[in-house]
Formats: sequence, C-alpha cells, structure tokens
Amino acid sequence: SQQGEEDPQALSIQEGENATMNCSYKTSINNLQWYRQNSGRGLVHLILIRSNEREKHSGRLRVTLDTSKKSSSLLITASRAADTASYFCAINNDMRFGAGTRLTVKP
Amino acid sequence: GAGVSQSPRYKVAKRGQDVALRCDPISGHVSLFWYQQALGQGPEFLTYFQNEAQLDKSGLPSDRFFAERPEGSVSTLKIQRTQQEDSAVYLCASSPKGAGGSDTQYFGPGTRLTVL
Repeated sequence: SQQGEEDPQALSIQEGENATMNCSYKTSINNLQWYRQNSGRGLVHLILIRSNEREKHSGRLRVTLDTSKKSSSLLITASRAADTASYFCAINNDMRFGAGTRLTVKP
Repeated sequence: GAGVSQSPRYKVAKRGQDVALRCDPISGHVSLFWYQQALGQGPEFLTYFQNEAQLDKSGLPSDRFFAERPEGSVSTLKIQRTQQEDSAVYLCASSPKGAGGSDTQYFGPGTRLTVL
C-alpha cells in the first residue's frame, strides 16, 4: 500500500482567491482521490481522477494529474469561507492518508 | 438514503475500561474501513473488511484493538483496557465495491473517544 503526501501543510488565503494544494506519491497508480474534512466531521469525497486522465473539473474544483512527476494538484477557484477545511489525497483504493493540507479562507 | 452512521458520537472512558464503537455502513456496501485520527493529523488506517471477511488488520496498533463485522453489515471496533493514547476520533467508511475497485468512500461522522 502507499499513501499520498499533501503540501503545503497549511495555507491561508482571502476569500475570492484561488487555493492550490499538491499531492505527491511514489509508485504507479490506478486512480487518485481528493477528500475534504471540515472540523469535527468525517471526510467527504470531492473528486476521483484516473491514471489515464490529466485534468478533471467539478464546479469550482480542478484536479490535475501528472503521472510522470507522480503528483496531483487540487485547485479551488474563487474560494469561500466555507472552503475552510483540511484536504487529503488517497491513492488507488488503499485509503492511506497523509497529514493533509489545512486551508483557511478568511472572509 | 441514509449515509454511514456511527455511535456513540462521543465516548468518555476511564483508563482501563473497555469500549465498543459501532458503525452502520450504507446498506449493501461491500467494503468497510476503520480509521483512527488524532487531533491535527490525517486518518490512520486501522482495518478493512470485505463483507464479513477482515482482509487487512495491519493498522491495528495493539492486540487491545479488535474489530468485527459478523454479518457483513454493521461493524464494531472494540478497544480493551483503554489507555490515554487511545484518545482520538475513530472514523468508519464504506464503499460499494470490494478491494481493488476505483471506489468512492463514504465516511461517517466519527466517534470521539476521550480516555481519562
């Protein structure tokens, strides 16, 4: 099994700005998933990108995958205070998580 | 339909007590996962079930931790002789398919365990 490692560990931005966080991994993958966790809650699935995909969109979310660099990025556009949460990536179906990126969006 | 539910939501135990945490997955989901999440950390994998079979228990930190899913639906995580370091949020997740599938995981709200 393997886990993704998210960076940065923490990110603080103003409402309306874009937020980018990254996930790196070490071996080949079939898919990569991003999850969000609001304080005191369980994780919520955001988006899944497969190894043969390079980019995927869902609302204000944009995920890219670069298998040659073994990395993925999650972009949140026009951020809102409600986007304040921790964001995690998971590799394949292994469901091992890194420490996450703690995003704070200031109103 | 109903999502994944966990009970109790909060549990306070005295050191040395045994606790049992329950997870009700989404009906029909094959896979069930348990995680332990310390404050400020990501979820740490504990164990995984495919139906009633416990296929991976490599994350259980000690033999004080035991999980079961006898009928392939509801699961219980039991912690014997609780220690202060067991204080954490315990998350349960389920997914429709078995291991190896490209599958979305659905998480419950967690049980916050505090050991005094």
